[in-house]
Amino acid sequence: GAVVSQHPSWVICKSGTSVKIECRSLDFQATTMFWYRQFPKQSLMLMATSNEGSKATYEQGVEKDKFLINHASLTLSTLTVTSAHPEDSSFYICSTTGGVGYTFGSGTRLTVV
Amino acid sequence: GEDVEQSLFLSVREGDSSVINCTYTDSSSTYLYWYKQEPGAGLQLLTYIFSNMDMKQDQRLTVLLNKKDKHLSLRIADTQTGDSAIYFCAESNDYKLSFGAGTTVTVRA
Repeated sequence: GAVVSQHPSWVICKSGTSVKIECRSLDFQATTMFWYRQFPKQSLMLMATSNEGSKATYEQGVEKDKFLINHASLTLSTLTVTSAHPEDSSFYICSTTGGVGYTFGSGTRLTVV
Repeated sequence: GEDVEQSLFLSVREGDSSVINCTYTDSSSTYLYWYKQEPGAGLQLLTYIFSNMDMKQDQRLTVLLNKKDKHLSLRIADTQTGDSAIYFCAESNDYKLSFGAGTTVTVRA
């Protein structure tokens, strides 16, 4: 079945630095990639939708200059958290429509100290 | 998400059946999904149901859909300790998923 590989699984960074999260679709082309954020014991909140070769569409309240999304190829989408702050600490998950339903990456636990 | 609601906790004895309930608001949803999330992991698709179906069974899993009441349920038969996780129901509309808050299922011996 469709597999989405997400890296890193966890990252700790200093406040003010930037962190890049990658999601790669294996064995299929991911035209559309969804990026979610999940706070502890809460549901997934959609941050943005990216389509290969075009600008991402951000949900209301999500700062596009802070959460940079690049979807330059059909197999790779990246989310860069710029100038990270402790309040950005969260679990970030990507998802794509490849395969049955939606396929999710394994998630990235970001901790900003 | 505010459009999908589900109970937050369920405790069940090993071997019993678990029933997780969910209500949604978007009557135009084409598919409804159940996902399982284990600690620190992504979401695993358990099952899904097309909106014109009433029921779907897949091994230990049974999904019931009441489209009139916009009510979806997931029944897990013979619940095992490995079923302990958070279960999310989700509806899809215009290729976007809206999730419930998740039901934490705890299986006790």
